[in-house]
Amino acid sequence: LAKTTQPISMDSYEGQEVNITCSHNNIATNDYITWYQQFPSQGPRFIIQGYKTKVTNEVASLFIPADRKSSTLSLPRVSLSDTAVYYCLVGDMYSGGGADGLTFGKGTHLIIQP
Amino acid sequence: GAVVSQHPSRVICKSGTSVKIECRSLDFQATTMFWYRQFPKQSLMLMATSNEGSKATYEQGVEKDKFLINHASLTLSTLTVTSAHPEDSSFYICSARVNRVISYNEQFFGPGTRLTVL
Repeated sequence: LAKTTQPISMDSYEGQEVNITCSHNNIATNDYITWYQQFPSQGPRFIIQGYKTKVTNEVASLFIPADRKSSTLSLPRVSLSDTAVYYCLVGDMYSGGGADGLTFGKGTHLIIQP
Repeated sequence: GAVVSQHPSRVICKSGTSVKIECRSLDFQATTMFWYRQFPKQSLMLMATSNEGSKATYEQGVEKDKFLINHASLTLSTLTVTSAHPEDSSFYICSARVNRVISYNEQFFGPGTRLTVL
């Protein structure tokens, strides 16, 4: 599994856009990039997943440059409830590729202030 | 979306007792479930992979005789912490894999179980 590097923590204010960047220099051809969100004393929640270019859903966007050595999770107009730990994971997500558990890094602790 | 539940949400027990934690996929079948452990202010660590109808696969350093895993049906996996000790106090989280027709899959996590061993 490719190793990931993220900021340990970030602060922002309500209403702003927050971008969290993850480095994954050793990403493999079959690897997807997945982001999870975790609130204290809760299980992680899947946010978004992508392979290249841009992916957008109702909660976030994921930007992946052509070399795929990094990715950026973009949270539009954050609120206090977005305060959480955000994990970037990289791995082969093809079905039939084996029952692989996920390897979580340290994540980014995002703190949103009023 | 896929929902995974855990029971109990919190348990406090005395040292030496065994504790069983249940993980259920509520609206889908999961041939594969995973068990993670998370200590305070640390990340999740994969403990084992639970496969329906077969033995679990444990990560290096996880004692299979201490953490018994049973995946008897496509919607239920259980983790039993045998002879629990204070150092086993942690947040235990399960997840279930959803295999999609498209060529990727994702995991859905349960809410976690807080185990405190006195």
